[in-house]
Amino acid sequence: EVLLVQSGAEVKKPGESLKISCKGSGYSFTSYWIGWVRQMPGNGLEWMGIIYPGDSDTRYSPSFQGQVTISADKSISTAYLQWSSLKASDTAMYYCVRPSRSGWPFDYWGQGTLVTVSS
Amino acid sequence: DIQMTQSPSTLSASVGDRVTITCRASQSVSSWLAWYQQKPGKAPKLLIYEASSLESGVPSRFSGSGSGTEFTLTISSLQPDDFATYYCQQYNSYSWTFGQGTKVEIK
Repeated sequence: EVLLVQSGAEVKKPGESLKISCKGSGYSFTSYWIGWVRQMPGNGLEWMGIIYPGDSDTRYSPSFQGQVTISADKSISTAYLQWSSLKASDTAMYYCVRPSRSGWPFDYWGQGTLVTVSS
Repeated sequence: DIQMTQSPSTLSASVGDRVTITCRASQSVSSWLAWYQQKPGKAPKLLIYEASSLESGVPSRFSGSGSGTEFTLTISSLQPDDFATYYCQQYNSYSWTFGQGTKVEIK
């Protein structure tokens, strides 16, 4: 069974750094792209970026380029989403996702990680 | 970037109603269009991919159609479990965009 298991909720202050994780299991981690989707409170879904763990090829949405860093450690089948300096506007639910079908829909989703940034 | 526009933003309907949600792309996305259902506090769930292919386990009352820039999601007979928010999503050259969502409410 394919599973994406994310790290737990975080509460941070503005200016702090953060790295959240998504561990894949039940499949060959290096063979599938894995991405991140943001959902701000009461809002819709926004695709942030995606990485291919096999060679670390990474693509970002223009809206998130330079704002976050996506990485992966294939030795532990884990993808990461990282901020160097959080803002209150980063408060959101973050989902990791895996496209695997023709047409590239996100057919697997993690359970979500809630990030709260507040002074 | 390709923009996706859904209509309506909110839809009030009754159990048994036929419901249609429209999604328009700012440029052609061929058939690279998916639909998701999201309930409060839950991760989205894939319903339809490649515009009209039903995801395994999804009830047959859900169907998708369209190509190019105009797409529709139809629920043939709305059930109590279907009250949720629905999103369309396009894929093009390692870039994905979601529509703003359509909330289906109880009338």
